[in-house]
Amino acid sequence: QLQLQESGPGLVKPSETLSLTCTVSGGSISSSSYYWGWIRQPPGKGLEWIGNFYYSGRTYYNPSLKSRVSISVDTSKNQFSLKVSSVTAADTGVYYCARHHSGYEYAADYWGQGTLVTVSS
Amino acid sequence: SYELTQPPSVSVSPGQTASITCSGDKLGEKYTCWYQQKPGQSPVVVIHQDTKRPSGIPERFSGSNSGNIATLTISGTQAMDEADYYCQAWDSSTVVFGGGTKLTVL
Repeated sequence: QLQLQESGPGLVKPSETLSLTCTVSGGSISSSSYYWGWIRQPPGKGLEWIGNFYYSGRTYYNPSLKSRVSISVDTSKNQFSLKVSSVTAADTGVYYCARHHSGYEYAADYWGQGTLVTVSS
Repeated sequence: SYELTQPPSVSVSPGQTASITCSGDKLGEKYTCWYQQKPGQSPVVVIHQDTKRPSGIPERFSGSNSGNIATLTISGTQAMDEADYYCQAWDSSTVVFGGGTKLTVL
């Protein structure tokens, strides 16, 4: 059974960099059948896509966040990570990692439980 | 950038049919999926590839997509279906979400 688990600090100071890691178990992030990515949800608001990566190494980002976001991959640990720089209170929310399945035309069929990140001094 | 629009809220009586729409330019030319999210939980895909239900999703959930509008239909709506619903499209390796619709069963 595939599992995704987000980890990282729950509190980040304004202007600093938010860093999260998604550890995948029960499947490989190196498969050509999937994209892997990050999605966030501000308190009481809707889902916002942050970015994806493909096993080939290509990354794709939400244009509204592209200047502050980066996704990196560690295939040896079956993990991928998110960094968001220069954070403000608007970056507060629950951050999810997810798998997008090509067989589902890239619907996200597995999600992590989500981790709450609060930006506050 | 591509945008998807959903109504903020839809209300339905138990046992009736609920329809939630998602609109976007030429959306019918893309595949759309739908997620259900209950409070405090991660989203769950209930429809993918416009019309397909993952295993474990009740038959009362169905989808369609044509022209500029995709629709999630819940037949015989139950109290347990009360949740937020999000449409999503895949556009050139990027993900686009609708703003979400709160379904109230009353």
